[in-house]
Amino acid sequence: EVKLVESGGGLVQPGGSLRLSCATSGFTFTDYYMSWVRQPPGKALEWLGFIRNKANGYTTEYSASVKGRFTISRDNSQSILYLQMNTLRAEDSATYYCARDRGRGFAYWGQGTLVTVSA
Amino acid sequence: DIQMTQSSSSFSVSLGDRVTITCKASEDIYNRLAWYQQKPGNAPRLLISGATSLETGVPSRFSGSGSGKDYTLSITSLQTEDVATYYCQQYWSTPCTFGGGTKLEIK
Repeated sequence: EVKLVESGGGLVQPGGSLRLSCATSGFTFTDYYMSWVRQPPGKALEWLGFIRNKANGYTTEYSASVKGRFTISRDNSQSILYLQMNTLRAEDSATYYCARDRGRGFAYWGQGTLVTVSA
Repeated sequence: DIQMTQSSSSFSVSLGDRVTITCKASEDIYNRLAWYQQKPGNAPRLLISGATSLETGVPSRFSGSGSGKDYTLSITSLQTEDVATYYCQQYWSTPCTFGGGTKLEIK
């Protein structure tokens, strides 16, 4: 059974940093691109970026809204995906999801972790 | 970036209705379109990929159609469990982008 479980969310002050984790199981982690998607309360989904699979060198792509502030990485030995978020702003407050990216939609998602950026 | 527009942010429906949700891309996305269903407090669920391919386990009352820039999600005979917000997503180009969502409410 494919499982994705996010952790690491919480309350952080503006300008602060936070690292989210997404522990995965049930599939060969290195075979898949992995994406992060966020959703502010009551708003739409926003793709943040992905990290490619082993065959594509684990390179990354980001949305313009987070490029330079957020970094996606992966620990392939433990099948964990990370999202390092720096210089956080109030508008980064959202539920953050990791998703297994097969290049034609995201069939598997985590349950989400809530990040609140507030003083 | 490709913009995805769902013209209706919400609408009221009755159980048993046929429902059509539309999604328009700012350019041709060559059927690289997915539909998701999201219920409050839950992660999105992939319903359809490739504009028309139903995911395993999705009821056959759901169907997708369209081409070019214009796509549609249809639900025949709406059930209580279908009350949710629906999102389209294009994956033709990076960044993939989502529509603003269409929320179905019961009259």
